[in-house]
Amino acid sequence: AQSVSQHNHHVILSEAASLELGCNYSYGGTVNLFWYVQYPGQHLQLLLKYFSGDPLVKGIKGFEAEFIKSKFSFNLRKPSVQWSDTAEYFCAVTHGTALIFGKGTTLSVSS
Amino acid sequence: SAVISQKPSRDICQRGTSLTIQCQVDSQVTMMFWYRQQPGQSLTLIATANQGSEATYESGFVIDKFPISRPNLTFSTLTVSNMSPEDSSIYLCSVASGANVLTFGAGSRLTVL
Repeated sequence: AQSVSQHNHHVILSEAASLELGCNYSYGGTVNLFWYVQYPGQHLQLLLKYFSGDPLVKGIKGFEAEFIKSKFSFNLRKPSVQWSDTAEYFCAVTHGTALIFGKGTTLSVSS
Repeated sequence: SAVISQKPSRDICQRGTSLTIQCQVDSQVTMMFWYRQQPGQSLTLIATANQGSEATYESGFVIDKFPISRPNLTFSTLTVSNMSPEDSSIYLCSVASGANVLTFGAGSRLTVL
């Protein structure tokens, strides 16, 4: 069965530090990949998605992710984090018409 | 993208009782999805609900425990039956807004005593 692994459970950074959150999925076929974010007290929101084409995708708020098919990975990056990036980040992969989510990574950014 | 409203937003229930959560969408959608987010954990797909057919449940979830209705293209309900403290969770309704892109409601936070 399809599964998603997020390697970092809790990441603590200072403002302006660079961020990379790891995500690996198990299925070797064609998949669509997503990163969602949940800010404190808010809904889950789509951060970015990859369907096909350029493996480097850009999302909202300066986030980007790189799809590396050979590594079954879809890591999220941001060159310089802000305090407002404090949130829970979820990687997700298609599962039929729905999505399967990783366990999430809590990002805490100190100012 | 679609706007999703869930009711109740939160509730505290007694062990052994049942609670029905409602999900209303502001546009017609073919598929609706129900997820559970247990404290400190990720989202787990409970079932997929299509209008006019039986819901499709994921492994570990059964219709007797989580009956779902989908009477039309804008509405669905999820019932959590015979609740126990282990059912304490946030239950989320979601719909597809474009290919595989899911939009989520705010969720219904359920506490079972």
